[in-house]
Amino acid sequence: QKEVEQNSGPLSVPEGAIASLNCTYSDRGSQSFFWYRQYSGKSPELIMSIYSNGDKEDGRFTAQLNKASQYVSLLIRDSQPSDSATYLCAVNPPGGGNKLTFGTGTQLKVEL
Amino acid sequence: DTGVSQDPRHKITKRGQNVTFRCDPISEHNRLYWYRQTLGQGPEFLTYFQNEAQLEKSRLLSDRFSAERPKGSFSTLEIQRTEQGDSAMYLCASSRRRQGADTQYFGPGTRLTVL
Repeated sequence: QKEVEQNSGPLSVPEGAIASLNCTYSDRGSQSFFWYRQYSGKSPELIMSIYSNGDKEDGRFTAQLNKASQYVSLLIRDSQPSDSATYLCAVNPPGGGNKLTFGTGTQLKVEL
Repeated sequence: DTGVSQDPRHKITKRGQNVTFRCDPISEHNRLYWYRQTLGQGPEFLTYFQNEAQLEKSRLLSDRFSAERPKGSFSTLEIQRTEQGDSAMYLCASSRRRQGADTQYFGPGTRLTVL
């Protein structure tokens, strides 16, 4: 079992729709969770971090964390073509120091 | 606040050559990380510094790889006797622990191609 799992996609949504990106992780004691956006050929850009169960909203982005289910998600409201990118889920596992373990990313395509 | 910078942005080398990459973290960030990313994969942790001390190194990291952060500011990553399998994007990130959280910000990366 991979430590951090994401559906590789591509996930296609029409412009203006809600995009839902999902991530599961294996280490139950993980405490810190991050979503990064990566455009093709570029480096990861931090979108959101979340540490507590529940929802965290920042503009059009909402991160959701459920530690009991070992599940973290990212919702993007009013999706725009500029949101088309790969979204990486990253977890700071217990006992892992400060390193991040990444999923393989989900490719999102927002279509006109 | 300037971001993390990396140099060079691209490096093409022949198999067997040594290469060195530099990373300058965000000022006042005392933690610095190196990751490697290949096509279709997420970044993979290589090593981590807090100030000048190298606190963790991936078990997957070959002895051909070495990293330094001599004065707790910039860092270098050297790969000796490069192999074609070393071709990847090498990413540097930095962070500063605030209110119990440690958020890493990435530089633009150095893309290495080994011929």
